[in-house]
Amino acid sequence: GDSVTQMEGPVTLSEEAFLTINCTYTATGYPSLFWYVQYPGEGLQLLLKATKADDKGSNKGFEATYRKETTSFHLEKGSVQVSDSAVYFCALSPPDSNYQLIWGAGTKLIIKP
Amino acid sequence: KAGVTQTPRYLIKTRGQQVTLSCSPISGHRSVSWYQQTPGQGLQFLFEYFSETQRNKGNFPGRFSGRQFSNSRSEMNVSTLELGDSALYLCASSLVGMGTGELFFGEGSRLTVL
Repeated sequence: GDSVTQMEGPVTLSEEAFLTINCTYTATGYPSLFWYVQYPGEGLQLLLKATKADDKGSNKGFEATYRKETTSFHLEKGSVQVSDSAVYFCALSPPDSNYQLIWGAGTKLIIKP
Repeated sequence: KAGVTQTPRYLIKTRGQQVTLSCSPISGHRSVSWYQQTPGQGLQFLFEYFSETQRNKGNFPGRFSGRQFSNSRSEMNVSTLELGDSALYLCASSLVGMGTGELFFGEGSRLTVL
């Protein structure tokens, strides 16, 4: 079945470092891909999305590119801030379905000043 | 517009009791999905309701149940509570379904079972 695999955390970085959080997926066809972020004490919120191959989603300085050839959707940011400390979830929606959303395990990011 | 509202935010119960959690979605959203979040198991899907019908269900025992009302508000119930039910319970609303990936989450109800 469809699945999402994220790199294990926690990921600890210093402020202004470059961030990559890996996400790979297994799915048939062309799913839609999403990154959600959960700040401490809050619910999740959609960070960015991509709905077809080679699409790049971006928001708040974060980017992720839908790579069909490597079945990946890695999250990147050029210079992280302490306020980016959160848990990041990668998710997949199979094509032609309103009924499923497959979640990764989440990656905790800690940014030290 | 108002976001997703979950009540209560915090509650403490003892083993064997039951609990009911409430979720009010964004106005106009017809889909409500529920999730259990724990440090060990991550985010686990419970069920989704759309227009008062359960459309999708995760792999949880029958002690976990839910319903949706005609105004799209949803409740979930956990009967015969166990220590392992301690978790953050999140609900999310969506215009047409969680499969669109465009979910709006509440802040959650944190349940502690003693």
